[in-house]
Amino acid sequence: DIQMTQSPSSVSASVGDRVTITCRASRGISSWLAWYQQKPGKAPKIVIYAASTLQSGVPSRFSGSGSGTDFTLTISSLQPEDFATYYCQQGNSFPLTFGGGTKVEIK
Amino acid sequence: EVQLLESGGGLVQPWGSLRLSCAASGFTFGTYAMSWVRQAPGKGLEWVAAVSAGGDTTYYADSVKGRSTISRANSKNTVYLQMNSLTADDTAVYYCAKGESGSFHYCDYWGQGTLVTVSS
Repeated sequence: DIQMTQSPSSVSASVGDRVTITCRASRGISSWLAWYQQKPGKAPKIVIYAASTLQSGVPSRFSGSGSGTDFTLTISSLQPEDFATYYCQQGNSFPLTFGGGTKVEIK
Repeated sequence: EVQLLESGGGLVQPWGSLRLSCAASGFTFGTYAMSWVRQAPGKGLEWVAAVSAGGDTTYYADSVKGRSTISRANSKNTVYLQMNSLTADDTAVYYCAKGESGSFHYCDYWGQGTLVTVSS
C-alpha cells in the first residue's frame, strides 16, 4: 500500500497569511493526488485534483503542486472560511489512501 | 445539483451486519464509479470500497475485505455497502462519494454521511 505522510499535523495562522501543507507518498504516484478540505461535522470537499487542478468553484487562492512523491497545497492568503482540516489522497492505485490530515487553526 | 444521501446507519451489536445505502441524484449515475469512505470519531479518512460505473469491478480496503460487499443498482441510482462481522473498529461515519470524471482516482462529491456504531 502507498503511505501518505502529511506535515505539519497542525498549523496556526492568521487571516491573510500564506499557508503551505506538504504531502509525501511512500512511492511515486505521478500526479495522482487530490486535496480535500473538511470542516467540523461536515463531509470532505475536494479542492485540488491531479496535483494541481483546481476544482470548479474553489477560490484561486488555493493551489497545488508536485509530482512523483512530493506535493504541496498552498493557500496564498488565508481567509476565515479556510480554517479546516486538509487531507491529501493518492489516486494512483488501490487501496486509495489518505494522509493523516493537517488542521489549519486560527492564531 | 449533485446529491448523495446515505442511510442505513445506526447501532449494531458486535459481529452483527448492516447494509448502507446511498441514493444519488443530479448526475448520470450509471457513468460514474462510486466509493465508500469512513471516518472513525476524531480520526482521519479511510477509503473502504469502490465500484465501477457498470458494477462489474470492485475494490476493497484490507480492513473490510472478505466481510463487506459494495454493489450498485443503476436503475435505482443507488450504491450499497453490505458489512458483516462488525467490530468496534468499524464504528465510524460512512460517506458515499462520487468518482471524479468517471474514474476511481478521486471523489468529487460526498454525501453527508451516516453514523455506524458497533457496541453491545
